[in-house]
Amino acid sequence: DVVMTQSPDSLAVSLGERATINCKSSPSVFYSTTNKNYIAWYQQKSGQPPKLLIYWASVREAGVPDRFSGSGSGTDFTLTISSLQAEDVAVYYCQQHLDTPTFGQGTKVEIK
Amino acid sequence: QVQLQESGPRLVKPSETLSLTCAVSGFSISSGHYWGWIRQSPGKGLEFLGSVYHDGSTYHSRSLKSRVTISVDTSKNQFSLTLNSVTAADTAVYYCARGVVPDSAWLAVRYWGQGIMVTVSS
Repeated sequence: DVVMTQSPDSLAVSLGERATINCKSSPSVFYSTTNKNYIAWYQQKSGQPPKLLIYWASVREAGVPDRFSGSGSGTDFTLTISSLQAEDVAVYYCQQHLDTPTFGQGTKVEIK
Repeated sequence: QVQLQESGPRLVKPSETLSLTCAVSGFSISSGHYWGWIRQSPGKGLEFLGSVYHDGSTYHSRSLKSRVTISVDTSKNQFSLTLNSVTAADTAVYYCARGVVPDSAWLAVRYWGQGIMVTVSS
């Protein structure tokens, strides 16, 4: 199985500041036939199912605020929240969807 | 709007079979997409169990393949999960799901059920 490793496990960011979450896959989740990286990002708030934010590494899901962006290729990926809002407090997960899906362990984002 | 709702027993005894059903509304399963099951536990995090297409073709987690069966009933617009020989390690919130990419069995999940907490205990 593809192993997904997120960092950090938690971070505290001031309101309005940038939050950056990293995700590393082993092996690569780039598929040359489609020229796509098969990474999704989710936000999960307490007591709710995860919510899809990004798929194919950088495609923002409809209705997701543009302060959320995804980047990266191959084995290294990043979710960036450009200006943290109070409603962004949650646990964030990366997932690869190239093969049998596997998830990162999660990153808890809090307000500093 | 696509909606998914899990149902089934919330308590299962060790060594018995866990059976859950996901009722789909707002979209006909026969129209396409893969439909799947994902679980979440404190110990193992989020774990993909498997997915099914409307024609009955299935894809499973390698680690659970021998214990998992996923089936579809297009007449009732629902799909189901059975997990055999359960242990305490199978205690989790079970979610049914649909992916964002129509022709991919490996779900990037756009639609989630609310989840059902299943406890394995005698």
